[in-house]
Amino acid sequence: SQTIHQWPATLVQPVGSPLSLECTVEGTSNPNLYWYRQAAGRGLQLLFYSVGIGQISSEVPQNLSASRPQDRQFILSSKKLLLSDSGFYLCAWSRGTGANEKLFFGSGTQLSVL
Amino acid sequence: QKEVEQDPGPLSVPEGAIVSLNCTYSNSAFQYFMWYRQYSRKGPELLMYTYSSGNKEDGRFTAQVDKSSKYISLFIRDSQPSDSATYLCAMGVTGGGNKLTFGTGTQLKVEL
Repeated sequence: SQTIHQWPATLVQPVGSPLSLECTVEGTSNPNLYWYRQAAGRGLQLLFYSVGIGQISSEVPQNLSASRPQDRQFILSSKKLLLSDSGFYLCAWSRGTGANEKLFFGSGTQLSVL
Repeated sequence: QKEVEQDPGPLSVPEGAIVSLNCTYSNSAFQYFMWYRQYSRKGPELLMYTYSSGNKEDGRFTAQVDKSSKYISLFIRDSQPSDSATYLCAMGVTGGGNKLTFGTGTQLKVEL
């Protein structure tokens, strides 16, 4: 069976510090990978998605970047965090195409920028 | 107007009640629909997935889609305290690269 690992679960960082969140998927190959941010009362916002190694699409302009150095590894980064980067970050993966494509989420990282 | 509207709640019901959770949407291109359950500080868990109008049942859960009215529902029968969570609806377009559009979630509390 497939599993998705995301860490850390909680992170407190000062403004201006760098960020690196990591996500790995096991039990599948060539998954589509996603980073979402969830803010209270605002639903899930898609930040980045990737269909393969080195292939990253950004959905919104922001202070963050993503990389996919390996097939099942997805990393969310920032060089300098802003207060507005606080939120709950979720990694997700999917297989299949079109209507058969179902999205599965990791356990999330609660990021607080102070 | 948001593409997907979902009442944030909170919705509080007694144990054993039938719960109805709803979402409306404006984009007629949406073709498949999902319901996720999210416990506090956890990632969303896929509960139900439907592609066509009508009902789909899985245990105590029934997902209903009415494409003509752009309205979807999730019914929970015999609700339990363990059903207390936030429920998110999500929908997508075939060929849309799985860029799902999510509702903001309805917080449900099932009380003893």
